[in-house]
Amino acid sequence: KQEVTQIPAALSVPEGENLVLNCSFTDSAIYNLQWFRQDPGKGLTSLLLIQSSQREQTSGRLNASLDKSSGRSTLYIAASQPGDSATYLCAVSVMNTGFQKLVFGTGTRLLVSP
Amino acid sequence: DVKVTQSSRYLVKRTGEKVFLECVQDMDHENMFWYRQDPGLGLRLIYFSYDVKMKEKGDIPEGYSVSREKKERFSLILESASTNQTSMYLCASSPDRSPSHNEQFFGPGTRLTVL
Repeated sequence: KQEVTQIPAALSVPEGENLVLNCSFTDSAIYNLQWFRQDPGKGLTSLLLIQSSQREQTSGRLNASLDKSSGRSTLYIAASQPGDSATYLCAVSVMNTGFQKLVFGTGTRLLVSP
Repeated sequence: DVKVTQSSRYLVKRTGEKVFLECVQDMDHENMFWYRQDPGLGLRLIYFSYDVKMKEKGDIPEGYSVSREKKERFSLILESASTNQTSMYLCASSPDRSPSHNEQFFGPGTRLTVL
């Protein structure tokens, strides 16, 4: 059974720092990996999707990498800002009973202080 | 931009009531999903649908049913609400079943409280 772990559960940094969020998964048989952002009491916003054949994806100050063989992904945030404060979730797409489904980690809560 | 909307942001219901949660997407996506999110448990898949009138059970379907009569609309039904169904409910959609086109897009969520 696929399990997704995100460490740390919470992270507090001063504005301007570069930071890395970690995601690990137990089964390398994934189709893709997706990073999401969730603000308190809100839905999920898709940030980046990395296909299983890709090594990384970039969007603005965000860079996500994927090492499928070792079961790891990282989300790198450059020059963090207070507006980056949110919970970040990763999810892997796996095959289950003939359908693809997402398996989510429990998230890293990020606080960026001015 | 993909837009997924949910009928209510907050909902308060009483034990035993029948509850309908509605979700609409405007991008002609094939797949639609219902999740619930609870502290410490993360997101768990309740039901999903890959076509009109088609549905598949997720990880925690007990106590729920779904309906998809039109491609853009996916409803979650709590037949007889119970207090343990108090949760944040999230709807999502994705284009189709191919691995390269299954990025999921989420709605704003419905916070349901059952008293």
